[in-house]
Amino acid sequence: EAQVTQNPRYLITVTGKKLTVTCSQNMNHEYMSWYRQDPGLGLRQIYYSMNVEVTDKGDVPEGYKVSRKEKRNFPLILESPSPNQTSLYFCASSYRDGTDTQYFGPGTRLTVL
Amino acid sequence: AQKVTQAQTEISVVEKEDVTLDCVYETRDTTYYLFWYKQPPSGELVFLIRRNSFDEQNEISGRYSWNFQKSTSSFNFTITASQVVDSAVYFCALSEGAAGNKLTFGGGTRVLVKP
Repeated sequence: EAQVTQNPRYLITVTGKKLTVTCSQNMNHEYMSWYRQDPGLGLRQIYYSMNVEVTDKGDVPEGYKVSRKEKRNFPLILESPSPNQTSLYFCASSYRDGTDTQYFGPGTRLTVL
Repeated sequence: AQKVTQAQTEISVVEKEDVTLDCVYETRDTTYYLFWYKQPPSGELVFLIRRNSFDEQNEISGRYSWNFQKSTSSFNFTITASQVVDSAVYFCALSEGAAGNKLTFGGGTRVLVKP
């Protein structure tokens, strides 16, 4: 089954404790992206990747890191989480770029205390 | 810069009523792509439609229809004969062809369909 998976689905952590949210797709898509969803703000792009070893900032990259060492994986790293990073996070992938239909993972609900 | 506005934050209807969700976008590109996604209470994002800027034909898919009007920069979505299962948050989104790297979402419209 074609899908985008994220782990963990739920996470409660404390300020400053480094964490990684994994994202994997099995569709051989070149493009992957991370979004955060906050009430009233819709989804905002954090980082995106056009291919292996090619990443760039989205609209809200502060406090986040990403890497794309393999085509299928695109982890999101919070080196020192803060309460304002409490949010619902989505990973997405598409065939070539952001103009193609993006398929989303199930979401990761993160709470930073 | 690209921007999407969904002015309606919440709409409440009774089952079988029609409901129209407004989406207004801003872009300087002549080539761009518009999308609608549905987010049911379970939280996942479900793709509904992708439309490019050169195709202004309206589209119908079952009870869903979309009205794309470049003259008013709008891409409105109508649910005909709404059902309780249509209760969800609906997002309109835009991607510019030149940049090709970004999807900009509107703030979403919550639709509540009451039995």
